[in-house]
Amino acid sequence: DAKTTQPNSMESNEEEPVHLPCNHSTISGTDYIHWYRQLPSQGPEYVIHGLTSNVNNRMASLAIAEDRKSSTLILHRATLRDAAVYYCILGWGAGNNRKLIWGLGTSLAVNP
Amino acid sequence: KAGVTQTPRYLIKTRGQQVTLSCSPISGHRSVSWYQQTPGQGLQFLFEYFSETQRNKGNFPGRFSGRQFSNSRSEMNVSTLELGDSALYLCASSWGTGTGTYEQYFGPGTRLTVT
Repeated sequence: DAKTTQPNSMESNEEEPVHLPCNHSTISGTDYIHWYRQLPSQGPEYVIHGLTSNVNNRMASLAIAEDRKSSTLILHRATLRDAAVYYCILGWGAGNNRKLIWGLGTSLAVNP
Repeated sequence: KAGVTQTPRYLIKTRGQQVTLSCSPISGHRSVSWYQQTPGQGLQFLFEYFSETQRNKGNFPGRFSGRQFSNSRSEMNVSTLELGDSALYLCASSWGTGTGTYEQYFGPGTRLTVT
């Protein structure tokens, strides 16, 4: 199964940008890159996903390396509410057999 | 629009019993996926249902089963419970099938404790 590698934990200061890295060296051409986050005592929350091009939405930006073997989730201005576990996941498989392969994620702490 | 709801939120069972968990997806979503989350293993995919058909399955024993109804609501069942089945069970819905393509919306989960 395609897998991702993320740092166990990261720390940031409030109102500063945060760059969360993810390596996925075994990614295949049809794998989508997804990011979710999970706040304490809640289910995961969708953040962003992309295939090849960089993506932006109201929550974050996703920068995908040209060879697609790594990506970076960018939170432009961290807030205390952004403290969560961030998961970088590949949508592995093809067609109806595609599924998400989850790792243990990066625990992000945001300092006031 | 209401989010994904899961019932019950908490459950305590004893070894050998069986349990049924319920999930109601977001209105209009036809895909429902189930996950097991434990501290050591993270989130592990159980199965996905779309239009009442199981479309994908993870590496779990046959004790874990599920179904989906015509209104897209889904249930998962675990028979002959083991201590290792203690976990947070999460349900997620999405518009289309193929969980790797569409964003998923998760419920708050059901915390199952097996004693």
